[in-house]
Amino acid sequence: NAGVTQTPKFQVLKTGQSMTLQCAQDMNHEYMSWYRQDPGMGLRLIHYSVGAGITDQGEVPNGYNVSRSTTEDFPLRLLSAAPSQTSVYFCASSRTDPRLTGGRGETQYFGPGTRLLVL
Amino acid sequence: AQKITQTQPGMFVQEKEAVTLDCTYDTSDQSYGLFWYKQPSSGEMIFLIYQGSYDEQNATEGRYSLNFQKARKSANLVISASQLGDSAMYFCAMREGYSSASKIIFGSGTRLSIRP
Repeated sequence: NAGVTQTPKFQVLKTGQSMTLQCAQDMNHEYMSWYRQDPGMGLRLIHYSVGAGITDQGEVPNGYNVSRSTTEDFPLRLLSAAPSQTSVYFCASSRTDPRLTGGRGETQYFGPGTRLLVL
Repeated sequence: AQKITQTQPGMFVQEKEAVTLDCTYDTSDQSYGLFWYKQPSSGEMIFLIYQGSYDEQNATEGRYSLNFQKARKSANLVISASQLGDSAMYFCAMREGYSSASKIIFGSGTRLSIRP
């Protein structure tokens, strides 16, 4: 199991450029999400998906698009990069089972992160 | 209103001492889950411990325990016998509800530094 993988690890963009951050998991998890981490602000949810074909907005969705065509992949697209999107981006996945009353079934597994700099 | 509050932006603790990291939460849901994650300087997020809202006993995982006080809506992390490797950012997180559409939200984190 590779767990959750993210590419690239580091990216520099110019304002107005577009790009896609890749995220993949091989654990057959239903739930996947994207977070951004800014200094002093913890992690903020951008978008999430509860299964293939289903996505929804998180706390800070503006400027980002997502799609979930397969269970394994959950790419995050920046349509027109802005300096305010300079951040570290984390993808995460978890196995969701409402019947579980506790334990690691709801644990989110995080990717290693993508450090994005927008000039 | 902030859902997860971590009031300690930074803490210094002597090695081998126990340390408590505070976390309070706000929810009207009866079913929820609480998590603690550790983020060392290398950047990865490491799951530490989980507490379900219906769990009657406090969760424990090795040196980590979660002091769950439901009426006070607090879920403090206790690390016993701290080690130098415990120096990291620690995040408290909450998942409201147990449906597949539930989101997980994070606090702003506490930076823990262990002194030798």
